[in-house]
Amino acid sequence: QKEVEQDPGPLSVPEGAIVSLNCTYSNSAFQYFMWYRQYSRKGPELLMYTYSSGNKEDGRFTAQVDKSSKYISLFIRDSQPSDSATYLCAMSPEGAQKLVFGQGTRLTINP
Amino acid sequence: DSGVTQTPKHLITATGQRVTLRCSPRSGDLSVYWYQQSLDQGLQFLIQYYNGEERAKGNILERFSAQQFPDLHSELNLSSLELGDSALYFCASSVEGLPGANTIYFGEGSWLTVV
Repeated sequence: QKEVEQDPGPLSVPEGAIVSLNCTYSNSAFQYFMWYRQYSRKGPELLMYTYSSGNKEDGRFTAQVDKSSKYISLFIRDSQPSDSATYLCAMSPEGAQKLVFGQGTRLTINP
Repeated sequence: DSGVTQTPKHLITATGQRVTLRCSPRSGDLSVYWYQQSLDQGLQFLIQYYNGEERAKGNILERFSAQQFPDLHSELNLSSLELGDSALYFCASSVEGLPGANTIYFGEGSWLTVV
């Protein structure tokens, strides 16, 4: 079993829809949670960062962490075609030297 | 632009050959990470260097090696290449050596095709 599970999709939604992306994990030591966005054949770029549990909002993006359920989510409101990309969750325990990434979910926003 | 520079962007080589991928981290970043991304395996951590010293090792094959030089640039050497080594290789950097507590920035990647 992988430490981090993420549905690879693909996920296709109409423009303006609310998108929900999720990851589950098995390592209860994870404390840092991140979402990266990766456009085709480009490097991942950090989108959202959360430490421990709770919610974080940045514009149209909201990240949620539920450590009791070992479940994290990324919500995209008013989705735009430019949001079409692969979204990777990543997480790390305190003091660890590496990030563990999910498989990535390929998202397409249709105009 | 993340500030992390990787060369070459694309590389095609034959099985059994050896290649070197180069990475220049962002200005001021001391830590360099190498990741491999393939369709079936996702983004896999290979190795991390901090200020010239190896800090952590992930799923790196014995045929692969890396180093970080005094000017902080890093090279990933891939030898005895196999078809299965075809992948996108990313370099990333951060100020400190803890990728959870510090934002890591990825380069554009080096696309390796082994034929």
